Amino acid sequence: AQKVTQAQTEISVVEKEDVTLDCVYETRDTTYYLFWYKQPPSGELVFLIRRNSFDEQNEISGRYSWNFQKSTSSFNFTITASQVVDSAVYFCALSEAQVDKIIFGKGTRLHILP
Amino acid sequence: AAGVIQSPRHLIKEKRETATLKCYPIPRHDTVYWYQQGPGQDPQFLISFYEKMQSDKGSIPDRFSAQQFSDYHSELNMSSLELGDSALYFCASSSSPKPNTEAFFGQGTRLTVV
Repeated sequence: AQKVTQAQTEISVVEKEDVTLDCVYETRDTTYYLFWYKQPPSGELVFLIRRNSFDEQNEISGRYSWNFQKSTSSFNFTITASQVVDSAVYFCALSEAQVDKIIFGKGTRLHILP
Repeated sequence: AAGVIQSPRHLIKEKRETATLKCYPIPRHDTVYWYQQGPGQDPQFLISFYEKMQSDKGSIPDRFSAQQFSDYHSELNMSSLELGDSALYFCASSSSPKPNTEAFFGQGTRLTVV
């Protein structure tokens, strides 16, 4: 069975601080896909990144970076020099290769304080 | 670039009424997914369609039905509405029957049942 755990329910940091959102997943499949989505107060789900299980390279996109470690089944997300506009709920998600659905974690609500 | 279009954006219905939500996928996307996100919850997979056939089913109530049409748009029909059906309903589309490509989400339809 697939499962995604985001242990941090809510995080508050002061603007310009770095913040890491944790994500731990469970799957029995050897081929799977991991996602991060951002949900701002307006409600839409904004796609941030997709990673397949065979690609353990870390990725950096501007102030965002992702650390994928299969050994610990983790796919953590770091925002560097956070900004108020980063305030949102962030969902980590998992999809196994043979199924259609994406399973979401419970989300981490991130508050960036000015 | 064209995105997933959902209509209406907001909908208010009374208990026991019927609601129809529409989803227009990104052009050339043949797969549509429906998700339900209750207040403060993570999105939950309801159902998906590939090439107009149901491809996977999640925890969708029997009161709900959905279909995908020849132009690939999809409709989610919800009957005998209950207060607990109040939620944000997302549609996503992708160009393959598995969300291992980027699953692009629409902006959602916020359904309020009163």
